[in-house]
Amino acid sequence: TQLLEQSPQFLSIQEGENLTVYCNSSSVFSSLQWYRQEPGEGPVLLVTVVTGGEVKKLKRLTFQFGDARKDSSLHITAAQPGDTGLYLCAGLSLDNAGNMLTFGGGTRLMVKP
Amino acid sequence: DSGVTQTPKHLITATGQRVTLRCSPRSGDLSVYWYQQSLDQGLQFLIHYYNGEERAKGNILERFSAQQFPDLHSELNLSSLELGDSALYFCASSVDYWWEGLTDTQYFGPGTRLTVL
Repeated sequence: TQLLEQSPQFLSIQEGENLTVYCNSSSVFSSLQWYRQEPGEGPVLLVTVVTGGEVKKLKRLTFQFGDARKDSSLHITAAQPGDTGLYLCAGLSLDNAGNMLTFGGGTRLMVKP
Repeated sequence: DSGVTQTPKHLITATGQRVTLRCSPRSGDLSVYWYQQSLDQGLQFLIHYYNGEERAKGNILERFSAQQFPDLHSELNLSSLELGDSALYFCASSVDYWWEGLTDTQYFGPGTRLTVL
């Protein structure tokens, strides 16, 4: 069974601070995705990283995929209250049978004004 | 709005009962996925259908079953419900062409909150 460990589980910071969320696995995934989920809604895809060592930037968010494609990180610069939410990493297993996403346990972020 | 619709939004039922959750994928999407999100287990993949055929199974209990119909909508049937089945159930859809597999985006619906009393 493939597992994704996310840390930290909870994070409460002040507006303007930086933070990093980590996602680690003992298995290799075809690609790794990061989602954000707000209360009462489904997860929304932020980014997909495919190549080992890949770095993607989305405004103040920086996503990195480890060289061995087993770990990833999400770094937020100058966090804002609007960044508050549940951040989920998910590994995609792709084979001829179908697509399967394995989600990490999530990081609940609260950014205080 | 992701374009994926799920009904009902809330469902309250008793142990031992059977319920059906419905999902309509985004227009043009051939793949439908079902997930369960609970406080202790997080978001877990249940099952994937592509154009009416089952493609992948995750941690889906034998009491649960799903199908995808010719019009591509999908239903998740939960029977002999237990207290522990209380959770949010999400449906997602994607285009799922083979050559887009690695970056295929799944669009999630708003979920159905199931409460078993």
